[in-house]
Amino acid sequence: GAVVSQHPSWVICKSGTSVKIECRSLDFQATTMFWYRQFPKQSLMLMATSNEGSKATYEQGVEKDKFLINHASLTLSTLTVTSAHPEDSSFYICSARGLAPAYEQYFGPGTRLTVT
Amino acid sequence: AQKVTQAQTEISVVEKEDVTLDCVYETRDTTYYLFWYKQPPSGELVFLIRRNSFDEQNEISGRYSWNFQKSTSSFNFTITASQVVDSAVYFCALSEANRDDKIIFGKGTRLHILP
Repeated sequence: GAVVSQHPSWVICKSGTSVKIECRSLDFQATTMFWYRQFPKQSLMLMATSNEGSKATYEQGVEKDKFLINHASLTLSTLTVTSAHPEDSSFYICSARGLAPAYEQYFGPGTRLTVT
Repeated sequence: AQKVTQAQTEISVVEKEDVTLDCVYETRDTTYYLFWYKQPPSGELVFLIRRNSFDEQNEISGRYSWNFQKSTSSFNFTITASQVVDSAVYFCALSEANRDDKIIFGKGTRLHILP
């Protein structure tokens, strides 16, 4: 199957700073990428959908000014958590899919963010 | 509304026992996909199966089997002769063609296999 990577795998940052998480499709062109957030012992919640070259679409309740998503190329999407606070500490997972079939999505290994 | 319900929050069984994880879904679409993922302690999601709404055939893969019943909107997952390595959180998920195939996850079932 296709491979999706995330970088970094874990990050610790101080409250008030911004942190960027990268999601890359290594062996296919990802026209769409999805970002999920998972709090401890909870499920994955979809945050936003990004299509290459367009603005991301955010799910209800997700602050678009806080979670900046950029999908500038067919192999890279980035999620920037701006002015991070301890409550943003979570496991962030991306998934990617190519042009077809649309149901074929590949998940990255996740990034664990801790805000102190 | 699109929804996935995993009523079992946590299950513990002794090794070698069979265990079934329940999944009930809601959708108004006729074209949809159902998934099961395993999430071990490392956190990385492991894809187990995808089923489309037009294929109700049950599937068996080694010790794993899946029972898809549209009449009851269920997609249950059975592990036969469980092993300690099966301990993980298992997520059932749904995507709909009319919703851009976004994958929506159930709350997960935490499975403990006791030696």
